[in-house]
Amino acid sequence: NAGVTQTPKFQVLKTGQSMTLQCAQDMNHEYMSWYRQDPGMGLRLIHYSVGAGITDQGEVPNGYNVSRSTTEDFPLRLLSAAPSQTSVYFCASNLRSGTGLAGANVLTFGAGSRLTVL
Amino acid sequence: GQNIDQPTEMTATEGAIVQINCTYQTSGFNGLFWYQQHAGEAPTFLSYNVLDGLEEKGRFSSFLSRSKGYSYLLLKELQMKDSASYLCAVSSNTDKLIFGTGTRLQVFP
Repeated sequence: NAGVTQTPKFQVLKTGQSMTLQCAQDMNHEYMSWYRQDPGMGLRLIHYSVGAGITDQGEVPNGYNVSRSTTEDFPLRLLSAAPSQTSVYFCASNLRSGTGLAGANVLTFGAGSRLTVL
Repeated sequence: GQNIDQPTEMTATEGAIVQINCTYQTSGFNGLFWYQQHAGEAPTFLSYNVLDGLEEKGRFSSFLSRSKGYSYLLLKELQMKDSASYLCAVSSNTDKLIFGTGTRLQVFP
């Protein structure tokens, strides 16, 4: 049982390059989300998904795209990387959304991906 | 909108008790969560509160007052391994989990 798996762990990009951060979970969780973490800013929600085929924007969505073609996978795409996107990115999943049961909102996080844009 | 406030840094001595406060303003409320994050690692879940009152889990307890928009995390019998950041997060009625900036706790011998 791997939980939430993120790849790559480290990546260096040049401004304007594109890349995809991969995220996969094997817990059959409906809800998946992407956060970025910057010093002094805490964790900020980028995009989230409440189920396969459904995605929505979080607090800081600009510059990022997501898709959810399967329950297991939730990749985050940077179309044209900028230095402001240098950050640590965390993917997370939880059991179910919309139930009104707070326990279903307990997040399991991946190990994180450290991205540097030069 | 949503706003979550917690102190930036705290220090305490091994064996002592420390209380980390969190105040919040949200549109709708579906639970308050506490996560622990050691440097260079992912956050891990500690506790959550949905109703007012105290939830106890071993050395850690969390309290919630919904009318005051206030929570605290209480850590007893502090150990060196408790040195970490503690993140307060609130789930709104849209099920998005929004985090505060975190409190960095340093435990000294």
